Amino acid sequence: DSGVTQTPKHLITATGQRVTLRCSPRSGDLSVYWYQQSLDQGLQFLIQYYNGEERAKGNILERFSAQQFPDLHSELNLSSLELGDSALYFCASTKEAGGYEQYFGPGTRLTVT
Amino acid sequence: GIQVEQSPPDLILQEGANSTLRCNFSDSVNNLQWFHQNPWGQLINLFYIPSGTKQNGRLSATTVATERYSLLYISSSQTTDSGVYFCAVFKAAGNKLTFGGGTRVLVKP
Repeated sequence: DSGVTQTPKHLITATGQRVTLRCSPRSGDLSVYWYQQSLDQGLQFLIQYYNGEERAKGNILERFSAQQFPDLHSELNLSSLELGDSALYFCASTKEAGGYEQYFGPGTRLTVT
Repeated sequence: GIQVEQSPPDLILQEGANSTLRCNFSDSVNNLQWFHQNPWGQLINLFYIPSGTKQNGRLSATTVATERYSLLYISSSQTTDSGVYFCAVFKAAGNKLTFGGGTRVLVKP
């Protein structure tokens, strides 16, 4: 158990819908990263937050957004869902921003039908 | 951006065999991690190894940062070692982990 929690574990929804994925970092960690794992793209970085502020952006679609709250949990919002958004979404946390060891949550498996 | 290549892409082992997985990266990095993704999809931290050699039970890893590669050794493999092994590198400029394509390992009893 990495100490990072993600909910829900599984999500099945229809095209065009909107979903919210939630992540709670390890106790004491200030930085949260979101990653997407799909069959065709592999594991890709989406976005990073540090202590409530966005720090880095990767291959995140405009239909996707995220935020980190004062209690340091983070949410990833996916809207106008398409079939190609079906993937495993991971969140990871580190104690600080920068090259510290990242610990991953169990992931949320999203299926868009 | 930085490229990370892992080899071999697939590996089939008989239980008890040893193996070496390789990770090459195209630029200098600040850190490197190895992960095992189990059949349930969970990413498990194996090593945080920007340079040097580390050992953890039957697994060990070596990173030669100056030559831009890392190796993961699995000794006396067990069926529970099956899954996908990922190497990921962190470069401060990008502030993210960049993952390789993984090595899929199947250990047969």
